[in-house]
Amino acid sequence: GESVGLHLPTLSVQEGDNSIINCAYSNSASDYFIWYKQESGKGPQFIIDIRSNMDKRQGQRVTVLLNKTVKHLSLQIAATQPGDSAVYFCAENIFTGNQFYFGTGTSLTVIP
Amino acid sequence: KAGVTQTPRYLIKTRGQQVTLSCSPISGHRSVSWYQQTPGQGLQFLFEYFSETQRNKGNFPGRFSGRQFSNSRSEMNVSTLELGDSALYLCASSPRAGFNEKLFFGSGTQLSVL
Repeated sequence: GESVGLHLPTLSVQEGDNSIINCAYSNSASDYFIWYKQESGKGPQFIIDIRSNMDKRQGQRVTVLLNKTVKHLSLQIAATQPGDSAVYFCAENIFTGNQFYFGTGTSLTVIP
Repeated sequence: KAGVTQTPRYLIKTRGQQVTLSCSPISGHRSVSWYQQTPGQGLQFLFEYFSETQRNKGNFPGRFSGRQFSNSRSEMNVSTLELGDSALYLCASSPRAGFNEKLFFGSGTQLSVL
């Protein structure tokens, strides 16, 4: 299957700073992407999604950017808070129903 | 609205046994997917069910099976357990079965095979 890779397995940021988590995908046919947050002992929690006909989408304190030219996805978290500490996954969907391919995850640690 | 509910939360089994995990989707959601999460392999797709029919299946051996009931609740079964089956099994639901649907996950069932 296709792989969704993350550039960094861990990321540490100071509280209040902005965080950027990156994801590279390999299938140019991927048309839908989701970012998930997973805290210890919990299932993945939906953060934000973006379709391939968009370049950018904003939510509350989060922005997802999609660069189809280089097959790159990023999640930006503004004013990072201690509660943002978690593992973040990107997932891609390629016309296969609800089957998603997940990246390996980036562990975000917020330093107070 | 209640989220995705998975039971049991924890399971301990021995090699060779079989196990059944249960998932109740969000009310009104008709599609249920199952994923296996391990530290080494990450999240991997097992299968998806909609209207009691398996729509997609991931690359797992036949020991892994599932089913969906008329009320959209789903179960997955793993027979002849192996040590490598130890993982967090996650169920996710979505309103429909088409592509580009958001998945909403439960907290998972942590299976330990001894």
